[in-house]
Amino acid sequence: KAGVTQTPRYLIKTRGQQVTLSCSPISGHRSVSWYQQTPGQGLQFLFEYFSETQRNKGNFPGRFSGRQFSNSRSEMNVSTLELGDSALYLCASSSVTGGAETQYFGPGTRLLVL
Amino acid sequence: SQKIEQNSEALNIQEGKTATLTCNYTNYSPAYLQWYRQDPGRGPVFLLLIRENEKEKRKERLKVTFDTTLKQSLFHITASQPADSATYLCALGGDSNYQLIWGAGTKLIIKP
Repeated sequence: KAGVTQTPRYLIKTRGQQVTLSCSPISGHRSVSWYQQTPGQGLQFLFEYFSETQRNKGNFPGRFSGRQFSNSRSEMNVSTLELGDSALYLCASSSVTGGAETQYFGPGTRLLVL
Repeated sequence: SQKIEQNSEALNIQEGKTATLTCNYTNYSPAYLQWYRQDPGRGPVFLLLIRENEKEKRKERLKVTFDTTLKQSLFHITASQPADSATYLCALGGDSNYQLIWGAGTKLIIKP
C-alpha cells in the first residue's frame, strides 16, 4: 500500500496570507489527524477527521481549520498567517486493530512564514 | 490534566550499549502505549505497541515494558548502533475520544 502523502512539501508565505495543505491517507484509512511541530517541541494536535466529520480538536485558534472529503483525503487551512505559524505540519492516517489505534505519518509540509 | 513526561535532555550512549528511554504519565489510565521514532524533518514512524495487560513486548533489538502501577514505560534498544540515533516519542491511547496523547520525545544519540 502507498503511504500517507502530503503536498506541498515546502511552502513559503508572508504574514497575512492564507495557506492550504493537503493530505492523502493510506487506502482504507478513514481517520486523518493533523499536527503542528516546531523545533524542539512535541507534536501539537490540531484536529482529527473521521468519515468527513471533525471528531477531535486541539487548542488552536479558529484561523486553523480543516476538512475531509468522501475519499478520506483531507485539507487544512490556515488563514491570516503569523510568523509563529512557521512549523512542520504533519498528517497521519490511522488504523485500529484490537481497539488500538496506530498512526501512520506523512513526510510533512514545512511552512515558513516571512 | 493528562501529562506525559519524557527525558527532555538528549541521551548519549556508546555504540553497542543498551539505550533506555523513559515515558512517565499522570492523570491517565491508558489502554495501550506506543513508541515511535522520528528522524529530523520527517514524520514519526510506529515501532511498538504494548497494552495495559502486557508487561513486556519485544521486537528484534527493541524491548518495551509497561508498568501501570508506576505509570511508566521503558523503551530499550540493545546493541545500539549510530543508525538508531533519532528522537523517540511515546504516545498513550485508549480513551473514548480515540485520540492519542503524545510525549515531547527524547533525542537519542549513539556515538561510534
